[in-house]
This record gives sequence, structure tokens and C-alpha cells, in this order.
Amino acid sequence: EIVLTQSPGTLSLSPGERATLSCRASQSVSSSYLAWYQQKPGQAPRLLIYGASSRATGIPDRFSGSGSGTDFTLTISRLEPEDFAVYYCQQYGSSPPTWTFGQGTKVEIK
Amino acid sequence: QVQLQESGPGLVKPSETLSLTCTVSGGSISSYYWSWIRQPPGKGLEWIGYIYYSGSTNYNPSLKSRVTISVDTSKNQFSLKLSSVTAADTAVYYCARYLREEDLIYGYYYYYMDVWGKGTTVTVSS
Repeated sequence: EIVLTQSPGTLSLSPGERATLSCRASQSVSSSYLAWYQQKPGQAPRLLIYGASSRATGIPDRFSGSGSGTDFTLTISRLEPEDFAVYYCQQYGSSPPTWTFGQGTKVEIK
Repeated sequence: QVQLQESGPGLVKPSETLSLTCTVSGGSISSYYWSWIRQPPGKGLEWIGYIYYSGSTNYNPSLKSRVTISVDTSKNQFSLKLSSVTAADTAVYYCARYLREEDLIYGYYYYYMDVWGKGTTVTVSS
């Protein structure tokens, strides 16, 4: 079973700053199986990035994803007030078919 | 635009069976995979299982012995049953659509959950 570890647990930043979130897998993951989600309090998760680097429909270009193998990164180039939320990485495992989430990174206002 | 709506009892007694339904509107349940995910209070997301519209399923190994997911294509719904619940099963339960999308240029597949329901809170308590 692949374990996803996100760091840091909490990121305290100001609007306009750059946020860099890490997701590390316990073994190599296919990039096409790696996604990122944003979750605000009281809301369902929202898909941001799939295939490690492809933005979902309607997602602003300040969000970008990168990485391969065991190390993946979500970058928010300039934080807007609405970006303060919890972010989860997720991977699909094909043998057997399962889904795994990281424990989340909270981006909070400094 | 496809929308998902979870429904079911908000309170379940310990040792009983939790039953939830997800209704798909704005599109057909056919040709897609459908998942259940849960989130205990203040914690992260846990995948429960998925079903293909044809009825094939796969479950989280940690919950497999207690989970059944079924689909009713005539009603555009799929359902979750979780048996022998305890307080540890108290959570917000989400249904979601997951896509298996082929990259026509490179020939590999993307997997991701693109549409989510708003979630429903289930509390296990006597």
C-alpha cells in the first residue's frame, strides 16, 4: 500500500505570497495517477490538478502542479484570500485498484 | 452539469447498518465510476470504495468486510451500506464521480475525482 505524506502540516502565509506544498509517496507513483484537491471549511473537496500537472476546468493559472516518481509539488504563485484552505494530494493505485489521500496541508493566513 | 446529492439517516445506532444513497442529476450514471469517501470530524479524507455503472466494485481493504456498494441505473443512483458501525464511523460521507480518462497522445490514463456531492453527516450514537 502506498502512503502519501504531505508537508508541511500547516503553512502560514500572507496574501500575495507564494505557497509550496509537498506530497511524498512511499513508493513511485505514476504521474497520471496523482491529483490535488482544495477543501474549504464545510465544503466538499474540489479538484485542482490531475495528472500531477494538468489544471482542472476553471482552475486559475496561479495553481500549478509538478513532480514525478515519489515527489510532487503544488504551487500557488500568489495567494488570494480565497486560497486559504486545506489541500490534499491523492493517488490511484492500480494493483489492486485503490485510492489514497495524503493527510492534508492547511494554508492559513499569517 | 452533473451534480451529486447524498441522502440518508443522520443518526445511526452502534452495531447497526449505515445506509446512504447518492443521486446523480444532470447526466447519466452509465459509463462512469462512482466512489464513496468519508471524513471524520477534524480529520482527513478516507476512500471507502467505488462501483462501475455495470456493477463491478472495489473496496478499501480496511473496510472491505463491512462495506457494500450497489448501483441502480434506472434511478441514476448508487448506494453505500456499512455494517456493524461504531463511533469511529462518525463522519461526513461524500459521493464522487471518478474519471478514467485516456490521453490520446501519450496513451496513458488519468484517474481523478472530478465531481463531488456536498456531503452528509452521519453520527453513530445510541
